[in-house]
Amino acid sequence: DTAVSQTPKYLVTQMGNDKSIKCEQNLGHDTMYWYKQDSKKFLKIMFSYNNKELIINETVPNRFSPKSPDKAHLNLHINSLELGDSAVYFCASRRDRGPNTGELFFGEGSRLTVL
Amino acid sequence: AQSVTQPDIHITVSEGASLELRCNYSYGATPYLFWYVQSPGQGLQLLLKYFSGDTLVQGIKGFEAEFKRSQSSFNLRKPSVHWSDAAEYFCAVGAKAYDMRFGAGTRLTVKP
Repeated sequence: DTAVSQTPKYLVTQMGNDKSIKCEQNLGHDTMYWYKQDSKKFLKIMFSYNNKELIINETVPNRFSPKSPDKAHLNLHINSLELGDSAVYFCASRRDRGPNTGELFFGEGSRLTVL
Repeated sequence: AQSVTQPDIHITVSEGASLELRCNYSYGATPYLFWYVQSPGQGLQLLLKYFSGDTLVQGIKGFEAEFKRSQSSFNLRKPSVHWSDAAEYFCAVGAKAYDMRFGAGTRLTVKP
């Protein structure tokens, strides 16, 4: 079973559209993240949720709205898509207990292309 | 917030040669330190981590890293590089308050 799964893997859409990316983890972790990786491979933290509560909200446009219906899911909705939103979006979950506390487990990424 | 610097954007080494990737961090307390590897089109995989204790940590695939508090560094090393090691390498610093920041990455090319 995939530990952290994201859907869709690829998303091509027009400017101005609204789209969502879903993420699910089956590791029992309490903390989940969204990262954006741009064309230069830079990984920028966007949001972090712990037990469904927003913990980190970086300077991300409010067109981006994360939603965590439960601890195992963290979805990302993007309104009014812009060309600059084209990137690979990674979901991750974090082990918060035990000997490997702090380790992140990543999904395979969702490549968003805005035309 | 903490920050991470990877000074080398791209490094090329010959297969069989040794490797060192540099990482410097900025954080007020003792951080959690990580190295991740990303193969093309893939997510990130943990190579190794430092939380406390022995400052030389061993990871998967023959990698090791040394935490040097005085230099705020956590450099990644491998004595003999294999062609399959070609990938993007990310250093990351984490804090207990859930924040995890990544460096800009170092792309490793391995020459035959």
